Amino acid sequence: NAGVMQNPRHLVRRRGQEARLRCSPMKGHSHVYWYRQLPEEGLKFMVYLQKENIIDESGMPKERFSAEFPKEGPSILRIQQVVRGDSAAYFCASSPPTDRGYGYTFGSGTRLTVV
Amino acid sequence: SQQGEEDPQALSIQEGENATMNCSYKTSINNLQWYRQNSGRGLVHLILIRSNEREKHSGRLRVTLDTSKKSSSLLITASRAADTASYFCATLEYGNKLVFGAGTILRVKS
Repeated sequence: NAGVMQNPRHLVRRRGQEARLRCSPMKGHSHVYWYRQLPEEGLKFMVYLQKENIIDESGMPKERFSAEFPKEGPSILRIQQVVRGDSAAYFCASSPPTDRGYGYTFGSGTRLTVV
Repeated sequence: SQQGEEDPQALSIQEGENATMNCSYKTSINNLQWYRQNSGRGLVHLILIRSNEREKHSGRLRVTLDTSKKSSSLLITASRAADTASYFCATLEYGNKLVFGAGTILRVKS
């Protein structure tokens, strides 16, 4: 079991470009969560998705950010027209459909740098 | 919004000592979880305690939960240099949303 796979590990974008971050959940996990971590801060919830559905996007900025989890393939977090303030580590986590008491499994993150 | 708030923000101890970190939260929860993050890495799940539990052990870890005070503590006994990391509490709100605190930075000196 490969765990939660995120790619790329590091991403550099110029201001105004688009950033696409990918997350493949653990096998058997149908729930995906995206978090953002600014330097020396905790993780801030962004969005919670199930296959083909956005369940809770209360942490997503209103503009430029979108997320999807299609029927086939990884979950994608898309940031359009990136700005320097988008520079952060973005973590994806997954969990099974029912609470088995094991917590979430996190990927290693994508570190986005906007130059 | 931030749910869990940890204290202290930073803790420095000698190897072999115990480390205690506290977490407070604001809303009703399903469970509370503790995670560790090594510098520049992802989060690793340590232990989960349900809202109807008061104490839980896992190896050198001991977690307590007081729902009346909306607080939890994480005790690491006989600390090792390898325990140096940031520790986060996170509360699972109803609706499956895991909300993190700002974390405690633990440094264990050998």
